[in-house]
Amino acid sequence: DTGVSQDPRHKITKRGQNVTFRCDPISEHNRLYWYRQTLGQGPEFLTYFQNEAQLEKSRLLSDRFSAERPKGSFSTLEIQRTEQGDSAMYLCASSSFSSSGGEQFFGPGTRLTVL
Amino acid sequence: AQSVTQLDSHVSVSEGTPVLLRCNYSSSYSPSLFWYVQHPNKGLQLLLKYTSAATLVKGINGFEAEFKKSETSFHLTKPSAHMSDAAEYFCVVTPWGSQGNLIFGKGTKLSVKP
Repeated sequence: DTGVSQDPRHKITKRGQNVTFRCDPISEHNRLYWYRQTLGQGPEFLTYFQNEAQLEKSRLLSDRFSAERPKGSFSTLEIQRTEQGDSAMYLCASSSFSSSGGEQFFGPGTRLTVL
Repeated sequence: AQSVTQLDSHVSVSEGTPVLLRCNYSSSYSPSLFWYVQHPNKGLQLLLKYTSAATLVKGINGFEAEFKKSETSFHLTKPSAHMSDAAEYFCVVTPWGSQGNLIFGKGTKLSVKP
């Protein structure tokens, strides 16, 4: 399968712990996006990379959140000192520069539960 | 600012009857509009997209949507619902020239009764 993959699929952690998620985009895609989806809501944009450069960050991305894409391939999203409000599905998507109309391809998501 | 409003949080239809999922958008510029579908425990999948070409857009699985600028609407339709269509549907907007920041509606849950 050459789609977007995310790891882990599920993460349960205690409040105050740090967690890190990984996203592997479609191999030829140079753009990578992170979204957060809470129950009953549509996904909300968090941040966007073009190659290794982080070009846009939402105000939803507090200073406890950090994302990296060190070699322009896979990306990691880290949440420090997790809070119960961080419980959500974290989605990764990728697209190519040449993709017409900005179509993004989504991974299956990482479901985070903070106890 | 760009936004989308999905007018129904839940739509229930019988198998074989038409589907209509409503979406209104707000955009200062000519937008790109999408419909995505999310089946339980599966990733979001693109159904169709509008990018200022034909106003009637055909997508996968028999879905289509019509862009109506005068009504700022982009409603999703299907002539005959199938049980496998039961899922969450999201109307999405991104302003022309944007490289990221898809803006999702809150979603419409489609139920299909046998």
